[in-house]
Amino acid sequence: DADVTQTPRNRITKTGKRIMLECSQTKGHDRMYWYRQDPGLGLQLIYYSFDVKDINKGEISDGYSVSRQAQAKFSLSLESAIPNQTALYFCATSDSRQRSFEQYFGPGTRLTVT
Amino acid sequence: GDSVTQMEGPVTLSEEAFLTINCTYTATGYPSLFWYVQYPGEGLQLLLKATKADDKGSNKGFEATYRKETTSFHLEKGSVQVSDSAVYFCALKGGSYIPTFGRGTSLIVHP
Repeated sequence: DADVTQTPRNRITKTGKRIMLECSQTKGHDRMYWYRQDPGLGLQLIYYSFDVKDINKGEISDGYSVSRQAQAKFSLSLESAIPNQTALYFCATSDSRQRSFEQYFGPGTRLTVT
Repeated sequence: GDSVTQMEGPVTLSEEAFLTINCTYTATGYPSLFWYVQYPGEGLQLLLKATKADDKGSNKGFEATYRKETTSFHLEKGSVQVSDSAVYFCALKGGSYIPTFGRGTSLIVHP
């Protein structure tokens, strides 16, 4: 079973719709992240959370919001989707107890906004 | 702030060729360094890491050495296979609370 899961894996939605992407992990990690990947731009950090009560904006948080419902769950919402939010979205986790802070990624959600 | 620069791709090689993907970084202190790999249709997964100067990370025939004097962490493999075709990301974790990633380098290996 995958340690970091994302739902849905693919989603097509229309401009102006609200959409939620969900991430769950069974690794017991305290830190969770949402990234966006566009061709040629690498990974851009949207939001990150170091525990349930700690949520922080990343470099491209405008147009997005998040909720950390439990240590194992971190959701990303697009309040009113627009076409330039079409991208691949990844959730990741890390363990603050690990000195090297390596991250573990989910399989991604491919979002298309028409 | 922290930054990572890696060579632009795509890198196109024939099977059994030698691979080098360059990565240099800027960071204060002594960051941990990583290479992640992203196979088609999948998320990133850790390929190898090094946590202090002169450490060599290795996995699946890939190697990278933490060179503080040149602030580099170049990825190498002696003989690539078609199955190595993927996007490779160099990353660091320094004093910032969050990791910093390079833009990724696409590797295409032909039979």
